[in-house]
Formats: sequence, C-alpha cells, structure tokens
Amino acid sequence: EDQVTQSPEALRLQEGESSSLNCSYTVSGLRGLFWYRQDPGKGPEFLFTLYSAGEEKEKERLKATLTKKESFLHITAPKPEDSATYLCAVQAPYNTDKLIFGTGTRLQVFP
Amino acid sequence: KAGVTQTPRYLIKTRGQQVTLSCSPISGHRSVSWYQQTPGQGLQFLFEYFSETQRNKGNFPGRFSGRQFSNSRSEMNVSTLELGDSALYLCASSLGTAYTGELFFGEGSRLTVL
Repeated sequence: EDQVTQSPEALRLQEGESSSLNCSYTVSGLRGLFWYRQDPGKGPEFLFTLYSAGEEKEKERLKATLTKKESFLHITAPKPEDSATYLCAVQAPYNTDKLIFGTGTRLQVFP
Repeated sequence: KAGVTQTPRYLIKTRGQQVTLSCSPISGHRSVSWYQQTPGQGLQFLFEYFSETQRNKGNFPGRFSGRQFSNSRSEMNVSTLELGDSALYLCASSLGTAYTGELFFGEGSRLTVL
C-alpha cells in the first residue's frame, strides 16, 4: 500500500535558524512527489513537483530535494511568515489527480 | 481569476442527518477532487470527478457520495452522519489532463457533527 510519512510532526525555529523537513514514501512506481503549504483556516497551496531522484526545486527560502526513498524540504533563514503546515504528497500510480498525503509538519518560526 | 469556491464554509449537524457540500472549480478546470482532513488522519482522498464521470474513489463508506455537473461544479453528500464525520472537507480542481500534482484547493467546508 502506498504510504507517505512526514517528520517531525512539529518544528519550532528561531528566525534565521535553517532546518529541514523530511518526507519518506513507499509507492509502487513514483509518478511525482509534491509539496504543499497550508495556513490555518485555508486550503493547501501548491509549492513544488519533483519527478525523479536527484531533482531539486527552489522558491525563495525553500528548496525541495528528492531521493529514491525520501524528499527533504530545506528552509534557509526562515522568517515568521514561513510558519505553516507543510504537506508532502505522492501521486497514485495511474492517470488521476488522486494524491496520497502525509500528515504534515507544523512549522512555527519565532522572531 | 477566481479561485475554488466552497459552500457552506461552516455547518453543524446532528447524528443521523445528511449534508450536501458544494464546490465551484476554477473556470476551465474539468477535474474536481474531494478530500477529508482530520487532525489524526490528515488529508484523505474521497473521490475525483472529470467531465461528470467519477474517475477515482477512495476508501470511504457508501454514505459518502458525489457528483459533477456539466459546468464542472461538484457536490458531495454524506448521509446518516456520524460523529467521526466531523472534519474539514476540501475540494480541489485542476485541468484534469496533465496530472502534474498541482491542485488548486478551496478553503474548505468545516463540518461539525453533534
């Protein structure tokens, strides 16, 4: 069964303190791995798509990387506005928009 | 352009009742997916509709159903509500043909079952 596990569940950082979030996955044929950001009271917002091991994507202070078993979301010099829940998801192995999500990492960045 | 619109945003029901939630996708998007979000389970896939046809279904009981109209708007229905159905129900839309994983989510309908 396809599974996505994220760690840690929660992370508290001081502003400027860089760190990484982990997403490990078990799927029968990865079609894509995706990172979303969710703010309280809002729906998830798409950040990145990664398709193959070794691929990297960057957006402002965020960089996502992918290996054959896991993905990392690196946050460099975070700011309080980066506080959110970060969700990782994989695509089910056939033509569909069905995504399998992890339970997320709740990030809090303090000034 | 306008985003995904979900109505109602909040609702309270009692056990045994039924509820209908509505979702208007982004203009031009033909795929609508529904997810249930709870603190313990995270986001779980309910079903996906594309051009009025259910393309995929998650592992939920038959009390959960949905449909899509010719204008791509979608509704989901939950009958005989249980306490465990309390959750945030999220709708997401996409073009439905590219499978890029980029879904556009609405803000959700928060259902409380008493």
